[in-house]
Amino acid sequence: RKEVEQDPGPFNVPEGATVAFNCTYSNSASQSFFWYRQDCRKEPKLLMSVYSSGNEDGRFTAQLNRASQYISLLIRDSKLSDSATYLCVVYNYGQNFVFGPGTRLSVLP
Amino acid sequence: GAGVSQSPSNKVTEKGKDVELRCDPISGHTALYWYRQSLGQGLEFLIYFQGNSAPDKSGLPSDRFSAERTGGSVSTLTIQRTQQEDSAVYLCASSLDGHYGYTFGSGTRLTVV
Repeated sequence: RKEVEQDPGPFNVPEGATVAFNCTYSNSASQSFFWYRQDCRKEPKLLMSVYSSGNEDGRFTAQLNRASQYISLLIRDSKLSDSATYLCVVYNYGQNFVFGPGTRLSVLP
Repeated sequence: GAGVSQSPSNKVTEKGKDVELRCDPISGHTALYWYRQSLGQGLEFLIYFQGNSAPDKSGLPSDRFSAERTGGSVSTLTIQRTQQEDSAVYLCASSLDGHYGYTFGSGTRLTVV
């Protein structure tokens, strides 16, 4: 089993739709969690950190469930510019970051 | 600097030649990571430097690959006797504290012909 797993995708949704991505991690000692976004032929960029209390940034909401070792990202009112690959990233203190394989989102006009 | 800087941005080399890729991390960042990404594929971890600790080289695919980080700042990834399967985008990232995530450079696109 991979350390970080994500919905395989791709997700094709119309503009304005709400879409949710799921991510699970296997290391219960993992400490920090992130969602990164990667556009085609570009480097990954930090979208948001994920906190136990959940956090929101505009149309984006991230949730963490430590008991279930599960992270989610919700995008409301999808825009064409949201089309990208979304990467779930887990950090274990003193060790490396671990990336999930990514979920590709295409928002269609 | 303001961001992670990588050079060159593109490199075309002949099979069998050696190449050096450079990464200049954000000033003050103690952790530095190298990844590579083949077209349409996910990120593949190569090597990780943290401060003065011995680097984690567990991701290097063969002994043709090596990396150094001098003075805790600039890092160089060297690929000897390049092969066509080495063609990929090589990404560097740096971090001050892993709890805040890390920042990627824009990568070096390596093409071995």
